[in-house]
Amino acid sequence: GDSVTQMEGPVTLSEEAFLTINCTYTATGYPSLFWYVQYPGEGLQLLLKATKADDKGSNKGFEATYRKETTSFHLEKGSVQVSDSAVYFCALGGGSEKLVFGKGTKLTVNP
Amino acid sequence: NAGVTQTPKFQVLKTGQSMTLQCAQDMNHEYMSWYRQDPGMGLRLIHYSVGAGITDQGEVPNGYNVSRSTTEDFPLRLLSAAPSQTSVYFCASSYDTGGRGLSSPLHFGNGTRLTVT
Repeated sequence: GDSVTQMEGPVTLSEEAFLTINCTYTATGYPSLFWYVQYPGEGLQLLLKATKADDKGSNKGFEATYRKETTSFHLEKGSVQVSDSAVYFCALGGGSEKLVFGKGTKLTVNP
Repeated sequence: NAGVTQTPKFQVLKTGQSMTLQCAQDMNHEYMSWYRQDPGMGLRLIHYSVGAGITDQGEVPNGYNVSRSTTEDFPLRLLSAAPSQTSVYFCASSYDTGGRGLSSPLHFGNGTRLTVT
């Protein structure tokens, strides 16, 4: 079945550092891919998405490119801020009536 | 813009008690779902619905019931609470309808933190 594997955290960075959170997937067909972010005490919010191969999703300085050849959707940001501290989830949808989530990666950014 | 509203925000139950977690959305979304979030486990799908009158089981449905009598509401019932059901519960909705997969983003509520003693 469909599955998502993302790098385990926690990840701790200094402000202005470069961020990469790896995400790979297994799916049949042509799924849509998502990154969600969860701030403390809140529900998940959509950060960005891509619906077909080679699409690049971007939002708030974050980017991820849908790579079909490597079945990956890695999240990147060039310069993180303290306010980016949160849990990040990679997710896959479109193959069934369910969205499949990775286990989440906790990011802490120190000033 | 209310979005997805979950009540209550916190709840403590004793083992064996029953209760209903409420979820309502005002976006006219056909698709609604319930997840539980546990440390190290990510989000696991409990039940979902692709429209009024239609529900289906997710990954971890045991001990929970749902119904979907209207488009707006999707309550989750715990029949006889157990300590293993201590978790944070999230309701989520999406524009997508069933039959051709879920490719639209989910909109989440802020969660209900449930403790069963």
